[in-house]
Amino acid sequence: DTEVTQTPKHLVMGMTNKKSLKCEQHMGHRAMYWYKQKAKKPPELMFVYSYEKLSINESVPSRFSPECPNSSLLNLHLHALQPEDSALYLCASSQGSGRVDEQYFGPGTRLTVT
Amino acid sequence: AQSVTQLGSHVSVSEGALVLLRCNYSSSVPPYLFWYVQYPNQGLQLLLKYTSAATLVKGINGFEAEFKKSETSFHLTKPSAHMSDAAEYFCAVKGNTGFQKLVFGTGTRLLVSP
Repeated sequence: DTEVTQTPKHLVMGMTNKKSLKCEQHMGHRAMYWYKQKAKKPPELMFVYSYEKLSINESVPSRFSPECPNSSLLNLHLHALQPEDSALYLCASSQGSGRVDEQYFGPGTRLTVT
Repeated sequence: AQSVTQLGSHVSVSEGALVLLRCNYSSSVPPYLFWYVQYPNQGLQLLLKYTSAATLVKGINGFEAEFKKSETSFHLTKPSAHMSDAAEYFCAVKGNTGFQKLVFGTGTRLLVSP
């Protein structure tokens, strides 16, 4: 099973709201990723967690706050977002070891900030 | 640093025709290369990967890709296009030492006409 699940599928939020995106995998992977994808563009890496520790933050604004409660779960907490933050947010996971370490993606959460 | 270039933002083929999506990489050492497919409003699905084990790589859905070091290319092909192949295709590269980010090309939209 190479499934990564994400909830919710769609989210509409105002600029003053606080919301969270959730990602889950049960493949025993130890690395998890958040990507942001704007329309007609490739995914852009935001954060990487390795063995439940934040290992990479690609200079993402503090209004995005990641959290990895355990090895299967990854959250992205959202607060005071801007309309330009509207995008598809993709979660991915990988083994976190080995040479190739290919990433498996979830279906994404379509976020609209009004 | 690794990078990939995908030639052609759009490729149009007729159903049953050969599919050829081009990807050229730039890397100082032999990299790992991937092709992902993204259907509308969905996440990315791994089609195939090159890990130096074999230069001709077979993937899912009848796709294959050939690694050519002399041409720094990793083009994706399928002998006969199906309507269901219409999607966005991303070539991606990562280095083979330590932790390396997955770097995506700009994507190619495949259009299949009846």
